[in-house]
Amino acid sequence: ILNVEQSPQSLHVQEGDSTNFTCSFPSSNFYALHWYRWETAKSPEALFVMTLNGDEKKKGRISATLNTKEGYSYLYIKGSQPEDSATYLCAHQKSNQFYFGTGTSLTVIP
Amino acid sequence: NAGVTQTPKFQVLKTGQSMTLQCAQDMNHEYMSWYRQDPGMGLRLIHYSVGAGITDQGEVPNGYNVSRSTTEDFPLRLLSAAPSQTSVYFCASSWGTGSTGELFFGEGSRLTVL
Repeated sequence: ILNVEQSPQSLHVQEGDSTNFTCSFPSSNFYALHWYRWETAKSPEALFVMTLNGDEKKKGRISATLNTKEGYSYLYIKGSQPEDSATYLCAHQKSNQFYFGTGTSLTVIP
Repeated sequence: NAGVTQTPKFQVLKTGQSMTLQCAQDMNHEYMSWYRQDPGMGLRLIHYSVGAGITDQGEVPNGYNVSRSTTEDFPLRLLSAAPSQTSVYFCASSWGTGSTGELFFGEGSRLTVL
């Protein structure tokens, strides 16, 4: 069992603020790191899949970085909007198995 | 494209009853998997399949059976339901085995075992 940890557990920010979350995972035998966005009453949707140390990916105002040597990934949201309110999950993929963190719940206050 | 379809969305069972959660995908994905979501815990892998006729256990397989007779379908069977199996279940698929493709999730099935 791989221990994937996410912090903080929850976060409230004002509209327009920038914010970031952390996902930590065991650095040995790294395969891939996934980020998913999970809105209430919906199913998780993929944001990024990263495989290489130093990877940086961006989608609009959301970006992510990856450090496989020390076992962490950051997710950044620039200029948060109310529609960014969701739970953000990370998952460590080891071959055909995925190990999810408990997520960071983001609430953006208008 | 319907994507990943799960049925039923809600189910209430009595202890000892059996049932099957259905999962179908129309994306020709090789990889399919089942997770359970419990309060305070991350999604936990129950079983997965890397292709028709091939299944394997995940992190929490006890009490569940799966089969993969076609590429499209991956049903999850509870042979004798227990209250500990009360959870929300998600099916997810991906296009490649051993690849780093993103997971596509179904909408979830909420199961209550009394």
